Amino acid sequence: EVQLVESGGGLVQPGRSLKLSCAASGFTFSDYNMAWVRQAPKKGLEWVATIIYDGSRTYYRDSVKGRFTISRDNAKSTLYLQMDSLRSEDTATYYCATQGLGAFYFDYWGQGVMVTVSS
Amino acid sequence: DIVMTQSPSSLAVSAGETVTINCKSSQSLLYSGNQKNYLAWYQQKPGQSPKLLIYWASTRQSGVPDRFIGSGSGTDFTLTISSVQAEDLAIYYCQQYYDTPFTFGSGTKLEIK
Repeated sequence: EVQLVESGGGLVQPGRSLKLSCAASGFTFSDYNMAWVRQAPKKGLEWVATIIYDGSRTYYRDSVKGRFTISRDNAKSTLYLQMDSLRSEDTATYYCATQGLGAFYFDYWGQGVMVTVSS
Repeated sequence: DIVMTQSPSSLAVSAGETVTINCKSSQSLLYSGNQKNYLAWYQQKPGQSPKLLIYWASTRQSGVPDRFIGSGSGTDFTLTISSVQAEDLAIYYCQQYYDTPFTFGSGTKLEIK
């Protein structure tokens, strides 16, 4: 059974940093592209970043480019999201998700972790 | 960016009825190289993570009941739920994966009368 478990969320002041982790199990992590998708309170879904299965390429939405860094450790089956210079508009539940090879729909999702940016 | 427009934003139906949710993209999602439409549908039940229902516009994810049917091509797509059940109470989203940034529709909230 595919399992994705996010951690590292919490309350953080604007301008500060936070690092999210996503522990994967139940599938061959190194075979999958991976992504972070967020959902602001009572709002819709918003793609944040994607990393290719071998870590060779990364993609970001414009609003987080230069502030967020997606990375992965295939030996540990873990995905990360380093979030710097956080803003109030980054407040959301962050989901870790798998993306199929050659087709970037989101197959499986974690339960999500809440990030609140507030002074 | 490719803009995804969903309609209606909400609807309420009785169990057993058929529901149609529409999704329109600002540019074609049909890739000529493989004749596939880069469009997916998700279901998000209250308090839960989203779940993939349909990809390639009409391919059901494993385990998804066959009452969920995806159709359409190019810029116009439809999710049809036949014989709606109480457990289908959720918000439904379409998503394009033709190009980055990957974008979602604003969602359609399905309520059961």
